[in-house]
Amino acid sequence: QQPVQSPQAVILREGEDAVINCSSSKALYSVHWYRQKHGEAPVFLMILLKGGEQKGHEKISASFNEKKQQSSLYLTASQLSYSGTYFCGTAGSQGNLIFGKGTKLSVKP
Amino acid sequence: EADIYQTPRYLVIGTGKKITLECSQTMGHDKMYWYQQDPGMELHLIHYSYGVNSTEKGDLSSESTVSRIRTEHFPLTLESARPSHTSQYLCASSERAGLGLAEAFFGQGTRLTVV
Repeated sequence: QQPVQSPQAVILREGEDAVINCSSSKALYSVHWYRQKHGEAPVFLMILLKGGEQKGHEKISASFNEKKQQSSLYLTASQLSYSGTYFCGTAGSQGNLIFGKGTKLSVKP
Repeated sequence: EADIYQTPRYLVIGTGKKITLECSQTMGHDKMYWYQQDPGMELHLIHYSYGVNSTEKGDLSSESTVSRIRTEHFPLTLESARPSHTSQYLCASSERAGLGLAEAFFGQGTRLTVV
């Protein structure tokens, strides 16, 4: 079951904040977040394993609400280097890694 | 730094040719995946493997086949390439991690063009 991401695209000015959401219709055991820059492979940002867990990576953090079956990625004081497409990933019914459709983030000077 | 390698990086080939995309990892990971991604679009899981002699089809139907004879090697084969197969193919691997999933490491991808 593919997770649902929102919004599809975000345009920010440097220094602005953004939130990307990821939800699923089935129980989630873990949520992954990846960033993919144009022409490159996706790069792992973080994984959340427990309900209520929050993690941070530089000025990027995420939370995981197990009961609501959703996760949110928070980008604070965005930098130009944050531009790219952000994917959340969850375990499919067979334990494989399935990604949402992605959120395209553009940070402008 | 991820130790997962894909070859070739770019491939232009004629319709009807047989091709094999190579993927190798040196991390000893049990799980390996193949994703298909058109430029700027989503990642579609086409094949995955839990270990040697284990292969499964992903959510996106694909005419390609895979094999897993060795832990470190997960090649993808197209018996007869068609223009509709033009896309980027990304290989990834991860450790087993119980009910959840461990971090996935991606190769740099093979950009395939079938003319």
